[in-house]
Amino acid sequence: SQTIHQWPATLVQPVGSPLSLECTVEGTSNPNLYWYRQAAGRGLQLLFYSVGIGQISSEVPQNLSASRPQDRQFILSSKKLLLSDSGFYLCAWSVLSSDLTDTQYFGPGTRLTVL
Amino acid sequence: GENVEQHPSTLSVQEGDSAVIKCTYSDSASNYFPWYKQELGKGPQLIIDIRSNVGEKKDQRIAVTLNKTAKHFSLHITETQPEDSAVYFCAASWGYSTLTFGKGTMLLVSP
Repeated sequence: SQTIHQWPATLVQPVGSPLSLECTVEGTSNPNLYWYRQAAGRGLQLLFYSVGIGQISSEVPQNLSASRPQDRQFILSSKKLLLSDSGFYLCAWSVLSSDLTDTQYFGPGTRLTVL
Repeated sequence: GENVEQHPSTLSVQEGDSAVIKCTYSDSASNYFPWYKQELGKGPQLIIDIRSNVGEKKDQRIAVTLNKTAKHFSLHITETQPEDSAVYFCAASWGYSTLTFGKGTMLLVSP
């Protein structure tokens, strides 16, 4: 069965510090990978998605970046965090099915607080 | 692009009552409609989904209905229990497009 991991689970960082969040998926090959952000009491904002190694699409221009160094690894980074970067960061994976539907499965999330 | 509207934003029911959450979508090409449940501090969990070639799907106390003509779909939870309390998200997509999510409904089930 497939499993998705995210770490760290929680993170408190000062403004201006760098960020690196990691997501890994087990039990599947060549998944689509996604990073979402969820502000307190808000919906899900898609930040980045990737259909393969080195292929990253950005949905929202901001001071965050994403990389996919391996097939089942997705990394979210920032060189200098802003207060507005605080939130709950979710990684998700999917594999396009034969009927062209794309079911996404989410990880446990990382709670980031920028002070 | 696709736009998904979700109502209500908050829903309070008594244990044992039914709960209904409704979503509308804008892109008639959308063919896949999942529902997610998110408990506090956790990632969303897929609870049920429906494809455009089906009008209704049931899984125990949960059901989803789809009206393609009106471009709306609904989640129905019967015999609600306190553990059903969570935020529920609907979403829509087609083919290779990414999911577009509704803004979520906070369901509160009182004992």
